[in-house]
Amino acid sequence: AQSVTQLGSHVSVSEGALVLLRCNYSSSVPPYLFWYVQYPNQGLQLLLKYTSAATLVKGINGFEAEFKKSETSFHLTKPSAHMSDAAEYFCAVGGHTGFQKLVFGTGTRLLVSP
Amino acid sequence: GAGVSQSPRYKVAKRGQDVALRCDPISGHVSLFWYQQALGQGPEFLTYFQNEAQLDKSGLPSDRFFAERPEGSVSTLKIQRTQQEDSAVYLCASSSLEQGRSEQYFGPGTRLTVT
Repeated sequence: AQSVTQLGSHVSVSEGALVLLRCNYSSSVPPYLFWYVQYPNQGLQLLLKYTSAATLVKGINGFEAEFKKSETSFHLTKPSAHMSDAAEYFCAVGGHTGFQKLVFGTGTRLLVSP
Repeated sequence: GAGVSQSPRYKVAKRGQDVALRCDPISGHVSLFWYQQALGQGPEFLTYFQNEAQLDKSGLPSDRFFAERPEGSVSTLKIQRTQQEDSAVYLCASSSLEQGRSEQYFGPGTRLTVT
């Protein structure tokens, strides 16, 4: 079985500060890992994904995430927060085989203050 | 181009009513997924279609939930005799490859409120 834990239901940062959103996964098989962003009343948008190539993955809007197998982590970072980054962020895990059913974490709401 | 669309965007149903939620995937996308997102939670898998074939429905919470995709394009999620615990946002996602092994594009969701 696969699962994802996101630490912190809310994270607050100031504009220009480092963004760090934490995600730990559990998987009995090599995982595919994803970060999605959800703006109010909108669907989820893919930020980035890890599919066993490079462990440091760069995504859209300046976000990146590093896959650390030893720590079973896939934390999302951005060097400098922008007001437009305020949204809900979801980490998800999928498998290498079979159809790509995604298992999501409970989400982290990012708040950005001026 | 057009993304995944869902209708209605909002639905209020009285307990015991039947509802039908529609998903229009991106044209040509083979894979289609339904997810349920309860308030304050992440999306949870309900069911998966490859073209018109429903290959997995293990996430459907009860036999009151039924999904179809008869022509391999538009999909409908039907909930019979709605209960309060069915209140959630229902998300549809489509993907261009079989088994969804490419990016899943999500629709805006249908927010169902059962009173």
